[in-house]
Amino acid sequence: QKEVEQNSGPLSVPEGAIASLNCTYSDRGSQSFFWYRQYSGKSPELIMFIYSNGDKEDGRFTAQLNKASQYVSLLIRDSQPSDSATYLCAANSGYSTLTFGKGTMLLVSP
Amino acid sequence: GAVVSQHPSWVICKSGTSVKIECRSLDFQATTMFWYRQFPKQSLMLMATSNEGSKATYEQGVEKDKFLINHASLTLSTLTVTSAHPEDSSFYICSAREAGGLTDTQYFGPGTRLTVL
Repeated sequence: QKEVEQNSGPLSVPEGAIASLNCTYSDRGSQSFFWYRQYSGKSPELIMFIYSNGDKEDGRFTAQLNKASQYVSLLIRDSQPSDSATYLCAANSGYSTLTFGKGTMLLVSP
Repeated sequence: GAVVSQHPSWVICKSGTSVKIECRSLDFQATTMFWYRQFPKQSLMLMATSNEGSKATYEQGVEKDKFLINHASLTLSTLTVTSAHPEDSSFYICSAREAGGLTDTQYFGPGTRLTVL
């Protein structure tokens, strides 16, 4: 059973702080990993993807991948109240499908 | 780029009727589209994977005769909920994978909220 695990949260951070969201995956064959943001009542929107070990930065977001530890993380710098949402981690799992974690709720307080 | 639309955005119907939901990739061709369902405060649940021109692949526990999927072109997939019942009320979301894409990136539509009375 291919699984992606995330802490459900909520993760609470003050405005301006760094939010760190973590994810582990079980399938060593997974090659690419994705972070999506989902606001309440809305569909997921892609933040970024990563497929090489190390860090990948895009604006205030940094994705980190460690394939040896089967660990993916997302750092959000200078967190804003508008970042409050559920963050979904996903790993590709063959046949073009993605396995999603259950998501971590992030709350950024002003 | 990579915009996916869904229609309708919400629908209310009576028990026993059928509802069709359309999913379109607006600025790219999608060989593969996916249909998800999400109940309140729960995670995404993949219902089926559809490839253009072929039959959909349904996840275990999803009734293929109840949830009819047609992927007639590279930009359009439809989900028909047949003989809908109140327990089918949910948020239905489609996603699309770009043809020839280097990764398995899925772009999501805005979702369709179905309420069955």
